[in-house]
Amino acid sequence: GAVVSQHPSWVICKSGTSVKIECRSLDFQATTMFWYRQFPKQSLMLMATSNEGSKATYEQGVEKDKFLINHASLTLSTLTVTSAHPEDSSFYICSARTSGDSYEQYFGPGTRLTVT
Amino acid sequence: GQNIDQPTEMTATEGAIVQINCTYQTSGFNGLFWYQQHAGEAPTFLSYNVLDGLEEKGRFSSFLSRSKGYSYLLLKELQMKDSASYLCAAMDSNYQLIWGAGTKLIIKP
Repeated sequence: GAVVSQHPSWVICKSGTSVKIECRSLDFQATTMFWYRQFPKQSLMLMATSNEGSKATYEQGVEKDKFLINHASLTLSTLTVTSAHPEDSSFYICSARTSGDSYEQYFGPGTRLTVT
Repeated sequence: GQNIDQPTEMTATEGAIVQINCTYQTSGFNGLFWYQQHAGEAPTFLSYNVLDGLEEKGRFSSFLSRSKGYSYLLLKELQMKDSASYLCAAMDSNYQLIWGAGTKLIIKP
């Protein structure tokens, strides 16, 4: 149980275009979803936290107009990188959490974005 | 501020035991997580400690001392597949995870 999927697993796009990444909880309802970015040999950096049906809370330094997050249902959240630039190339990972006592986050497999 | 410290890299021999330490400073505390991350993959959950003491799960054990702001992950009978990064993360009073930079564990035959 507690499987999270991400799509696509990798994507290459041209500078200036937009890319949408989907994150789905397959067998549970995710009241909260998290979006992380990870550069090579660095730790996870939390970008934003989203609760179903409400606006995402962005971490300091993350542009909300550039990284659009939608959490429309209890099983789906999307991250859209708008007007992508080469410096946005990174490994984007989502995680999902249910309400409850453990607060464990279940991670998706990640999406590798390369902007050329 | 909030901070997690763990060694950058460790090396161990196949079949041996290794202990990866983690110290944390957070605004409030709601538990300590350990995750394993292989290169190019997402993290996978290993353990969660919220009370002091040792939690054993097969070859992996995790220890927590809340008074010392300290945890360790103990890996026994090391296998080559255990070569990975091990991430320590503390949950603060807002139930947000504060992540360490990860410890890259290299296993040698």
